[in-house]
Amino acid sequence: AQSVSQHNHHVILSEAASLELGCNYSYGGTVNLFWYVQYPGQHLQLLLKYFSGDPLVKGIKGFEAEFIKSKFSFNLRKPSVQWSDTAEYFCAVNFYNAGNMLTFGGGTRLMVKP
Amino acid sequence: DTGVSQDPRHKITKRGQNVTFRCDPISEHNRLYWYRQTLGQGPEFLTYFQNEAQLEKSRLLSDRFSAERPKGSFSTLEIQRTEQGDSAMYLCASSLGEGDQAQHFGDGTRLSIL
Repeated sequence: AQSVSQHNHHVILSEAASLELGCNYSYGGTVNLFWYVQYPGQHLQLLLKYFSGDPLVKGIKGFEAEFIKSKFSFNLRKPSVQWSDTAEYFCAVNFYNAGNMLTFGGGTRLMVKP
Repeated sequence: DTGVSQDPRHKITKRGQNVTFRCDPISEHNRLYWYRQTLGQGPEFLTYFQNEAQLEKSRLLSDRFSAERPKGSFSTLEIQRTEQGDSAMYLCASSLGEGDQAQHFGDGTRLSIL
């Protein structure tokens, strides 16, 4: 079965530090890729998505992600984090051969120290 | 608020009881999804509707679980004879369909089995 891995379960950064969260998936076929964020007490919100085209995707709140097909990766980046970025981040993949469902990674809990 | 709406937000029940959750998707979205999320994990897919048709079901969806979307608008998820292992957050999401497959999530229903 296809799977999604997020290598960092917990990340602690100071404000203004750069962020990169890893996401890898197990399937070599066509995929749609997503990053979601869940702020404390809130619902999952879409940060950005990749369907096709430019592999560098820009999302909301200064986040971006790069799709590297040869590495089956879709890492999330932000050049300078803020305290308000403290949240849990989920990578999700729609595998074309698995229908319309999303397969999620286990999440990365980010804490930004002021 | 025109996002995905779920009711109730919390449900506490005794083992063996039946529970039903409701989801109202974003109004123009014809696709509706149910996921389950346990502590420290990413959401896991349960089932998917396109309009009123239930098109995909996960192996996680045992015969105690049933979902409906009778008129292609709101959906219900029923769990019969609840067990301790059913304790989780039940998430509903909706998407527009072809052309924009990004899924938008509700706040979820947290189920606790005593």
